[in-house]
Amino acid sequence: EVQLLESGGGLVQPGGSLRLSCAASGFTFSTYAMSWVRQASGKGLEWVSAISGSGGRTYYADSVKGRFTISRDNSKNTLYLQMNSLRAEDTAVYYCAKGFVVVVDLDAFDIWGQGTMVTVSS
Amino acid sequence: QSALTQPPSASGSPGQSVTISCTGTSSDVGGYNYVSWYQRNPGKAPKLMIYEVDKRPSGVPDRFSGSKSGNTASLTVSGLQAEDEADYYCSSYAGSNTLVFGGGTKLTVL
Repeated sequence: EVQLLESGGGLVQPGGSLRLSCAASGFTFSTYAMSWVRQASGKGLEWVSAISGSGGRTYYADSVKGRFTISRDNSKNTLYLQMNSLRAEDTAVYYCAKGFVVVVDLDAFDIWGQGTMVTVSS
Repeated sequence: QSALTQPPSASGSPGQSVTISCTGTSSDVGGYNYVSWYQRNPGKAPKLMIYEVDKRPSGVPDRFSGSKSGNTASLTVSGLQAEDEADYYCSSYAGSNTLVFGGGTKLTVL
């Protein structure tokens, strides 16, 4: 079964750091680009960051550029999101999502995890 | 990277057709054929319904169709069924290696 399982969320103070992980199974992880998408309470989905299958190309939304770093370990089938200088507006459920089209890094997502909650508050 | 504009709500009776719009600009929806649509049920992960404007992944009923005209993309659900009631989100490649989502539309089956 194709599955994504996020972990690492929690409560952190403004200015703090957190590292999210997303364990993938059921597909050839290194073949597909992966993304992080978040959803704040009562709001819509917001794309955060993406990384190519090889890990050689990374992409960020302006709202997180310079603060968040996406990476992947294809030997461990795991995606990461290192979040630094966290702000209250980063509070959201964070989802990892698998790219659907192999040759395009930023297209559609066919598999999503269940999400991990990140709360930034003092 | 402004969010795409979707109507907050849409509705239709069983058997009817309903169309949900997703309006952007020439820098996102109008500039690329990378528009996707997702169905989201409460407490569940989004499900990909349409990709690259009008392509359906395997397993998605052909009652769901996508199209685009200018800066506006549309999702049409034909032969509406009770199980189609959900939130629907559009997304589009937005240039400069970024992606943008719409605010979501709650579809109610009357």
